[in-house]
Amino acid sequence: EVQLVESGGGLVQPGGSLRLSCAASGFTLSGYEMNWVRQAPGKGLEWVSYISSGGTTIHYADSVKGRFTISRDNAKNSLYLQMNSLRAEDTAIYYCAREATGDGGFDYWGQGTLVTVSS
Amino acid sequence: SYELTQQPSVSVSPGQTARITCSGHTLPKQYAYWYHQRPGQAPVLVIYKDSERPSGIPERFSGSSSGTTVTLTISGVQAEDEADYYCQSADSSGTYRVFGGGTKLTVL
Repeated sequence: EVQLVESGGGLVQPGGSLRLSCAASGFTLSGYEMNWVRQAPGKGLEWVSYISSGGTTIHYADSVKGRFTISRDNAKNSLYLQMNSLRAEDTAIYYCAREATGDGGFDYWGQGTLVTVSS
Repeated sequence: SYELTQQPSVSVSPGQTARITCSGHTLPKQYAYWYHQRPGQAPVLVIYKDSERPSGIPERFSGSSSGTTVTLTISGVQAEDEADYYCQSADSSGTYRVFGGGTKLTVL
């Protein structure tokens, strides 16, 4: 069974940092492109970042470019999101999502981890 | 930045047909995907590549595309279909993924 489990969320002050992790199981992470998607309280989905299966190609939404860094460790079946210079508007549930090979779209999602940026 | 536009809400009675639309200028070139999300849960893919249905998704869910608009159709709506629905695609280069603003489906 495919599972994605996020961790690392919590309360952080504006300007602070946080590192999210996503543990993958039930499939071979190295075969899939991965993404982070977030959802602010009561709002819609917002794509945050993409990383290719080998980690060589990376993209970010303009809203997080220069502040967030996506990475992966295929040997550990893990995806990461390093978030620096956090702002109140980064408060959201952060989901890791697997991109379906060849077909596109996000075919599996984790349950999300809540990040709250507040003083 | 690239945007996809959805109507904020749709209301239908049980057994009726719900149609949710999504508009964007790159949709003729980029595939669209649809997700539903119930409160407190993660999104679930219900349509991929404009009109394909993942295994396990009921046949009453279908997708279509025409020009710059894609449509999710739910035939014979059931109470359990009440959720938020999001379309998703990419910019013209395929680099940036993007979601529509979401449509709240209410089953009366």
